[in-house]
Amino acid sequence: QSALTQPRSVSGSPGQSVTISCTGSSSDVGGYNYVSWYQQHPGKAPKLMIYDVSKRPSGVPDRFFGSKSGNTASLTISGLQAEDEADYYCCSYAGTYTVIFGGGTKLTVL
Amino acid sequence: QVQLQESGPGLVKPSETLSLTCSVSGYSISSGYYWGWIRQPPGKGLEWIGSIYHSGSTYYNPSLKSRVTISVDTSKNQFSLKVNSVTATDTAVYYCARVGTASDSWGQGTLVTVSS
Repeated sequence: QSALTQPRSVSGSPGQSVTISCTGSSSDVGGYNYVSWYQQHPGKAPKLMIYDVSKRPSGVPDRFFGSKSGNTASLTISGLQAEDEADYYCCSYAGTYTVIFGGGTKLTVL
Repeated sequence: QVQLQESGPGLVKPSETLSLTCSVSGYSISSGYYWGWIRQPPGKGLEWIGSIYHSGSTYYNPSLKSRVTISVDTSKNQFSLKVNSVTATDTAVYYCARVGTASDSWGQGTLVTVSS
């Protein structure tokens, strides 16, 4: 089970949009519509931002948008705000009740 | 609102067994969902360890399966993690979480250091 591939870092200015990719295989990302995204601020527990590829839990701003094409999922954050600066992790169901995480992406708001 | 809280020793000696418990409040484990453990080594990413259903069915990360046991105690509304034969590479913040198609509720995490 190899970690899903994410860029190590992305950056953007306030108000801009950024997209974080998450590449897996047909055994995980491409095989199921169970991709989730987590935001983690330093010293804090991860927070669910997107589930089932594109659904937002209650309370998550609609600036966060999830999508998937083939074996790659994406998280797009529009209207960047300073508080969005954090680490972001994707996660996918990988069959037989197992899950796999991405390596994480550090988002810097310039 | 569901809340999870990890507890257990913060320091474990190499070759010994790491044991943690997750206490759940605001939701009955027996009502459904899977319950899982995730860890994060210092400065690194998240790693799924395994999950358990209230019936006791367990599912483990293949890379850790030989050393990990997850159990559930529905009477106490708790579930537990044991990792055998630990080494320094098992040093991490360990999180427990409620798992559906995603992990929507997490504990605050507990740092476990493996050192003599």
